[in-house]
Amino acid sequence: GIQVEQSPPDLILQEGANSTLRCNFSDSVNNLQWFHQNPWGQLINLFYIPSGTKQNGRLSATTVATERYSLLYISSSQTTDSGVYFCAVGSRGNTPLVFGKGTRLSVIA
Amino acid sequence: DAGVTQSPTHLIKTRGQQVTLRCSPKSGHDTVSWYQQALGQGPQFIFQYYEEEERQRGNFPDRFSGHQFPNYSSELNVNALLLGDSALYLCASSLGHFNQPQHFGDGTRLSIL
Repeated sequence: GIQVEQSPPDLILQEGANSTLRCNFSDSVNNLQWFHQNPWGQLINLFYIPSGTKQNGRLSATTVATERYSLLYISSSQTTDSGVYFCAVGSRGNTPLVFGKGTRLSVIA
Repeated sequence: DAGVTQSPTHLIKTRGQQVTLRCSPKSGHDTVSWYQQALGQGPQFIFQYYEEEERQRGNFPDRFSGHQFPNYSSELNVNALLLGDSALYLCASSLGHFNQPQHFGDGTRLSIL
């Protein structure tokens, strides 16, 4: 099955700093979603982005499907950005999402 | 506009028991998927329900079963509980199929003693 690798596994930032999280996948996808899981376990959908670029406030994401990677950018980080960021992909057809192991982000005031 | 709701939030069971978890999808959604998330791991797909039928299934034993009702709500049943079933169980809803944004509930944290 499709493999999803996220990097870095852990990231510690000072409040106000910017960061880039990466998601590599092993096969063609027609579905890619980024999620944020807060410290209470709530999993929030950030982007549905099988290709192209999207922005939502301080967050933006880019997926280059032909090169099999996606990037999540966080600018001017805040302590509320802390948590685990997951990339999840689906390959061609209607296939279940396969999640990466996540990037654990800690933003320090 | 109500989001995805799951109940209960926490549950403690002993080995060998049976458990039922419940999920109401986001308003307007007709598809419910269930995931298991072990500590420190990403969610793993259990199965998906659409039009009251199991449409796809992940690599989970038959002890895991489910149901979808005419109002699109869903149940996850686990029989003969094992210690390894301790996890966060997440329900996600969407419109139609996987290739749509998945919206997750807050999960049910299941602990097996």
